[in-house]
Parts: sequence; structure tokens; C-alpha cells
Amino acid sequence: KAGVTQTPRYLIKTRGQQVTLSCSPISGHRSVSWYQQTPGQGLQFLFEYFSETQRNKGNFPGRFSGRQFSNSRSEMNVSTLELGDSALYLCASSVTGGDNQPQHFGDGTRLSIL
Amino acid sequence: AQSVTQPDIHITVSEGASLELRCNYSYGATPYLFWYVQSPGQGLQLLLKYFSGDTLVQGIKGFEAEFKRSQSSFNLRKPSVHWSDAAEYFCAVGARGTYKYIFGTGTRLKVLA
Repeated sequence: KAGVTQTPRYLIKTRGQQVTLSCSPISGHRSVSWYQQTPGQGLQFLFEYFSETQRNKGNFPGRFSGRQFSNSRSEMNVSTLELGDSALYLCASSVTGGDNQPQHFGDGTRLSIL
Repeated sequence: AQSVTQPDIHITVSEGASLELRCNYSYGATPYLFWYVQSPGQGLQLLLKYFSGDTLVQGIKGFEAEFKRSQSSFNLRKPSVHWSDAAEYFCAVGARGTYKYIFGTGTRLKVLA
């Protein structure tokens, strides 16, 4: 069974640009969560989607947005990029997203802002 | 507020020595608890989980963890560390009914040959 796939693996952008990251969950998984990982901050929860609906959102500005498609694939968009957005963005999937379900993580997208 | 604390940012142990990584949580009810490991350049892999029942849980790669309600702790242990265990370890809480996981800031483990 294929794991969680995130594309691209690496991105370099400049301030003010926007970026879209993609996540394909494990087949049969309908919940997708996104996290931002930075040194010293650990993983910060961005949002969670299930059946194309956002069920929870973390404390990030409105520049961070996401969506989920009918095939459970998800995208995350960051507009007006800032230097502080440089991070590893991780996507995780689970069957239904219940908080007693372990999450399966992709290898992440490394975003660097110049 | 719900939170997870991993008090040790870095830990160094010699190969073959025992290991204990600390995790404390703040949560109003019995949480769902997880330990994950992250190797460089990779995502997180689940080591073990605790939902209820026996407070000592076994995981993969020879790891175990003990849930202590009175101390709000869920410490990870391994009796004999291998060089391949060098990685970053994250403790996490599944916050009931929120579809959200709260992660600690991680402990980076270095193993000396």
C-alpha cells in the first residue's frame, strides 16, 4: 500500500509570492491534516479536512488555506509569503481522523523563502 | 489549555545504554497518547500509542512507554539503544473530539558509538 505522498519535496520562493503544496493520502484514508514544522517549535497544527470539509483549524493567519478534493487529495496554499513561512510542511492522513487514530505522515515539503 | 511538554531538547547516550525520554501533558481527561520518531529528511513514524487499559505499552523497534495518570506523564523507554535510534522523537496527544493532535517540541537523540 502506497504511503502518504507530498509534492513537491522542495520549494524555493521569494517574499510576496504564493505557493501550493499537494498531499495524496493513503488509499482509503479520508482525513488529511497539515502541520508546519520549524526548529524549536515542533509541529504546529494548521488544519484538518474530512470529506472535503475543514473540521478544525490552528492558529495561523488567513494567508494559510487548504482544501480537499473528492478523492481525498488535499492542497495547502500560502499567499503573500513571508520569511517566517520557511519550514517543513507535513501532511498526515488517517481513516476518519478520530483523535484515537494514529496519523500516517508523508515526508514533507521543505519550503524556503528568500 | 491542552499542551505537551518534552523537557529535554537534546539527549546523548552511548550505544547499548538504556534510554528514557520524558513527556508530560496537560489535558482535562484521559488523552490518547502517541510517540512518533522522525529520521532526518523524513516524516514521522508511529512508535506506539496508548488509549486505555494496561499502562505499559509496547511499540516497534523495542520501545515501550508507561502512562502515569498521577504524574500526567507518558515516558518512552528502551533498554538498550542502537546507533540507528538516533533521530528526533515526538510525544503527541489526541485531543478528544477536535480532530487535532498536539505535539511536543521534540527530543533529539544522539547515540555515541
